[in-house]
Amino acid sequence: AQSVSQHNHHVILSEAASLELGCNYSYGGTVNLFWYVQYPGQHLQLLLKYFSGDPLVKGIKGFEAEFIKSKFSFNLRKPSVQWSDTAEYFCAVNGSLTGGGNKLTFGTGTQLKVEL
Amino acid sequence: EAGVAQSPRYKIIEKRQSVAFWCNPISGHATLYWYQQILGQGPKLLIQFQNNGVVDDSQLPKDRFSAERLKGVDSTLKIQPAKLEDSAVYLCASSGGQALRNTGELFFGEGSRLTVL
Repeated sequence: AQSVSQHNHHVILSEAASLELGCNYSYGGTVNLFWYVQYPGQHLQLLLKYFSGDPLVKGIKGFEAEFIKSKFSFNLRKPSVQWSDTAEYFCAVNGSLTGGGNKLTFGTGTQLKVEL
Repeated sequence: EAGVAQSPRYKIIEKRQSVAFWCNPISGHATLYWYQQILGQGPKLLIQFQNNGVVDDSQLPKDRFSAERLKGVDSTLKIQPAKLEDSAVYLCASSGGQALRNTGELFFGEGSRLTVL
């Protein structure tokens, strides 16, 4: 079975600070990895995804994530956060083996608050 | 392009009552998902449809939860009878005709927030 761990449940940063949110997954085969974001009062939306190739992927709004296979990690980063980045961030995994191919498993989420 | 539509947005019921949620996916999306998101947790898949067939309902509490997608378009999720622990946001999502592992993106609705008293 696939699972996802997000270590930070609540993060508070000042504007312009750098951000790194941890995500580790557990799955025995090839995985696809995602970060979704939910802004206050809005629906979940895709931030970025990794399928194959360059392990450093870039998403919307200056976010990026690095897939480190040896560490089973897919941490989300942003060099300089803005107040508008205040949201809840979810890491998710989709295993490519039979039974996991179309199932997206989410982590528990990290609530980010950016203060002015 | 219209997104995933869900209703009602909010529902308050007493335990042992029943409730139904409706979802209309993005036009042309063959795959429809219902997720349950309890406060402080990530979304958990309840059921996945491909057109009008069930692909995965392994985490659906079938003694009280049911879902259908009769014409392969919109879907209804029902809870009967509701328990206190069913208080959650019920999210509907859809994805395009290709396998999720090829497209990678689920499109979510705004959710239906259920409070069971």
